[in-house]
Amino acid sequence: QKEVEQNSGPLSVPEGAIASLNCTYSDRGSQSFFWYRQYSGKSPELIMSIYSNGDKEDGRFTAQLNKASQYVSLLIRDSQPSDSATYLCAVLGGGNQFYFGTGTSLTVIP
Amino acid sequence: EAGVAQSPRYKIIEKRQSVAFWCNPISGHATLYWYQQILGQGPKLLIQFQNNGVVDDSQLPKDRFSAERLKGVDSTLKIQPAKLEDSAVYLCASSFMVGTEAFFGQGTRLTVV
Repeated sequence: QKEVEQNSGPLSVPEGAIASLNCTYSDRGSQSFFWYRQYSGKSPELIMSIYSNGDKEDGRFTAQLNKASQYVSLLIRDSQPSDSATYLCAVLGGGNQFYFGTGTSLTVIP
Repeated sequence: EAGVAQSPRYKIIEKRQSVAFWCNPISGHATLYWYQQILGQGPKLLIQFQNNGVVDDSQLPKDRFSAERLKGVDSTLKIQPAKLEDSAVYLCASSFMVGTEAFFGQGTRLTVV
C-alpha cells in the first residue's frame, strides 16, 4: 500500500494571507503529482499538476515538488473565503496507481 | 466537452442487497478509476482500468465488489451483498492516459441501512 500523507488540519488563515499545504509520499518511483480541491458535498476538482522538481505557478496557486525529500506542497496566496475547502494531494505511484491523501481542511477567515 | 457522467446520484439500499453504479468517462480517455470516499476521508482507489484491462484492484474487496469496463469505454461497479460499512460516495474519474490529469464525475452517494 503506497502512502500519501497530509496534515488533516483544520488549517485556518485570515483573508489575504498565504495558506501552505503539505504532502509527503512513500513511493520513490512516483512521477506525477496533483492537487485537488473538494468543497463539502462535491467531487474533487483539479487545481494543479506538477511533474518535475521545483515550483510551478498558476495564478494565486504555487505547487512545489522535491522528489529527493518526497514532498509536495501547495501555496495559496491572497487567500479568499471561497478557498475554504478540503485540499487533496494525489500521487501517481511507480506502478501507475493513482492514490490520494486524506486531505487538509482549510478555512479562510474573512 | 462533456465531463464524466455517473448514475445514479443517490441510492439507498438495505444491507445484503445488491447495487450497481455506472460511469461514462470523458470521450477519448483511456484510463478510468473508481474510488470510494467515506465521509471525512480521502478517496480510496478501488480499481483502475487502462482501456479494458485492470491496472490495479488491490484494494477492491473482491468477495463483494466487482467492476468491469467492456469495450474500454463505460464501466460498472457492483456491490453484492452490501454491508453497512459500504455507505460512502463512489467516485468515477478518467484521464487521457496514465500520468495525466484525472477528472471526476459527480459521484454516487450510497447509503446502506
